[in-house]
Amino acid sequence: NAGVTQTPKFQVLKTGQSMTLQCAQDMNHEYMSWYRQDPGMGLRLIHYSVGAGITDQGEVPNGYNVSRSTTEDFPLRLLSAAPSQTSVYFCASSDRQLLNEKLFFGSGTQLSVL
Amino acid sequence: AQRVTQPEKLLSVFKGAPVELKCNYSYSGSPELFWYVQYSRQRLQLLLRHISRESIKGFTADLNKGETSFHLKKPFAQEEDSAMYYCALRDPLGFGADGLTFGKGTHLIIQP
Repeated sequence: NAGVTQTPKFQVLKTGQSMTLQCAQDMNHEYMSWYRQDPGMGLRLIHYSVGAGITDQGEVPNGYNVSRSTTEDFPLRLLSAAPSQTSVYFCASSDRQLLNEKLFFGSGTQLSVL
Repeated sequence: AQRVTQPEKLLSVFKGAPVELKCNYSYSGSPELFWYVQYSRQRLQLLLRHISRESIKGFTADLNKGETSFHLKKPFAQEEDSAMYYCALRDPLGFGADGLTFGKGTHLIIQP
């Protein structure tokens, strides 16, 4: 199993550009989520999904869209990039059926918005 | 709302010294608590969870409901313990954001 795969690893955007961060998992996990990691702020939940066709907002959803058309994929879209979205983004998944199940994280995407 | 507080952004100790990374939480029920670790150039991974009462890489963490704490401890630090450590809480009964609530993290540096 590859686990959680994120692409790209690095990306530089200009203000106003749009892009999609890809996330895929091969563990048949129902739950998938996107976090951003900023110095001094820790990890903050952007959006999450509890299954195909179901998504909801986390703590910091503004400026981001998600969709979950399949169990495997959970892309994160930046509609109009802003410098405040410069961050490291992590996708994660877990099997909600198991009590205390851990999150599996992707390797991260480092995004810079100029 | 649930909250997780890690009061130290940076903790530096010498190799062989004891380590304690503090974590306090705010939650009205019985939380699920975790410690996650991110070593340099590696992805975040689970270190331990309170329900397992396990020791991983020499680390232990005890849930103290009276003090609402879940401090991470190791009696003798090793250089390879240098990493970013995140305390996390999950509401087992929550039907909203099922994601973990993370603290802001503590950067642990073990000096030789």
